[in-house]
Amino acid sequence: DAGVTQSPTHLIKTRGQQVTLRCSPKSGHDTVSWYQQALGQGPQFIFQYYEEEERQRGNFPDRFSGHQFPNYSSELNVNALLLGDSALYLCASSLIVAGNSGNTIYFGEGSWLTVV
Amino acid sequence: RKEVEQDPGPFNVPEGATVAFNCTYSNSASQSFFWYRQDCRKEPKLLMSVYSSGNEDGRFTAQLNRASQYISLLIRDSKLSDSATYLCVVNSLITGGGNKLTFGTGTQLKVEL
Repeated sequence: DAGVTQSPTHLIKTRGQQVTLRCSPKSGHDTVSWYQQALGQGPQFIFQYYEEEERQRGNFPDRFSGHQFPNYSSELNVNALLLGDSALYLCASSLIVAGNSGNTIYFGEGSWLTVV
Repeated sequence: RKEVEQDPGPFNVPEGATVAFNCTYSNSASQSFFWYRQDCRKEPKLLMSVYSSGNEDGRFTAQLNRASQYISLLIRDSKLSDSATYLCVVNSLITGGGNKLTFGTGTQLKVEL
């Protein structure tokens, strides 16, 4: 049973470029969340996707966008990259059970993005 | 004020010591609570859930005080392998039944010989 898989694991981009990060959730999970973790900080919630729609968004600019596909996999896109976007981007998957906040959330190993 | 606050440390302790981490959260509507462990350059991994009644998993004991909005983690008989960053995490329901994790900045623990 594959866990959460992310790609690429590491990448380097130049300021102003665009990047796409990919995530496949754990088998049986239908919800994908993305988090950004800057050095020395805890992960920050970017947004969550369920049923191919963005359910909720954290405090991130519109340069950050995403998509969820019918097979539940997801992409995170960041446009017009800034140096400050350098971080570990984590994908987390879970299975939504209505009204239950105790659903176990599983993280992928993350994608390390460096913007130069 | 941050939604989840932790002392960043580092806590440097000798092997065998007992160490305690504390955390406060600001959203009184938060639903569930966790401690995650994160090793250097790795993803966070669930260490344990936290309940008001207190819960124990081997050398680890977690406690939640909803009235004070306070969460704690106690590690007894520290091992070298316990060296990591410990993240206090609060889970909140969001629109449509999903949930969102809010993380503290993490407390770094270094266990030394």
